[in-house]
Amino acid sequence: AQTVTQSQPEMSVQEAETVTLSCTYDTSESDYYLFWYKQPPSRQMILVIRQEAYKQQNATENRFSVNFQKAAKSFSLKISDSQLGDAAMYFCAYQGSNYKLTFGKGTLLTVNP
Amino acid sequence: KAGVTQTPRYLIKTRGQQVTLSCSPISGHRSVSWYQQTPGQGLQFLFEYFSETQRNKGNFPGRFSGRQFSNSRSEMNVSTLELGDSALYLCASSLRGGLSSTDTQYFGPGTRLTVL
Repeated sequence: AQTVTQSQPEMSVQEAETVTLSCTYDTSESDYYLFWYKQPPSRQMILVIRQEAYKQQNATENRFSVNFQKAAKSFSLKISDSQLGDAAMYFCAYQGSNYKLTFGKGTLLTVNP
Repeated sequence: KAGVTQTPRYLIKTRGQQVTLSCSPISGHRSVSWYQQTPGQGLQFLFEYFSETQRNKGNFPGRFSGRQFSNSRSEMNVSTLELGDSALYLCASSLRGGLSSTDTQYFGPGTRLTVL
């Protein structure tokens, strides 16, 4: 079974600074997809970024980028120019051949003004 | 395009009762998955429906069931509620779901169920 580990229960960053959230996973599959979802206090789960395992190029979405290291089974999220609206719980998630998402426990990000 | 909608947003029930939650997917999406989120267990997969058929099921007791209608709307039912069923129930939709594991799942706002 696949597992996803987020080792940082909480992180904080100053507004306009950069922060990196860590995620590692375990799988025996070679084709899979990795996601970062954001859950603000409203509890709505919002897709931040998606990475295909077969792509060596790291995904980027505006201020959000990932560092995907397939051999190390590592998938970190970098948030640049942090904004107050980035404050939320961030979940790393794995999607393999059985389609269902396996989530990490989450990292609570606080953005300080 | 409208997002995934879930009703009701909040629900309070007592032990032993049953409850039905509803999820309407993004227009054109035919797969609906359900997840349970609790502080202790985190996010766990319940089941996935596609074309009115359950295609995948997580490790939950038979008290948890669901169905999908021809318009892709889905309902989840929990019978004989227990205190431990208190959770946020999230539904997610995608175009083809498990037919293609490449699909991205988009989530609704969730239904907060409290069991007293």
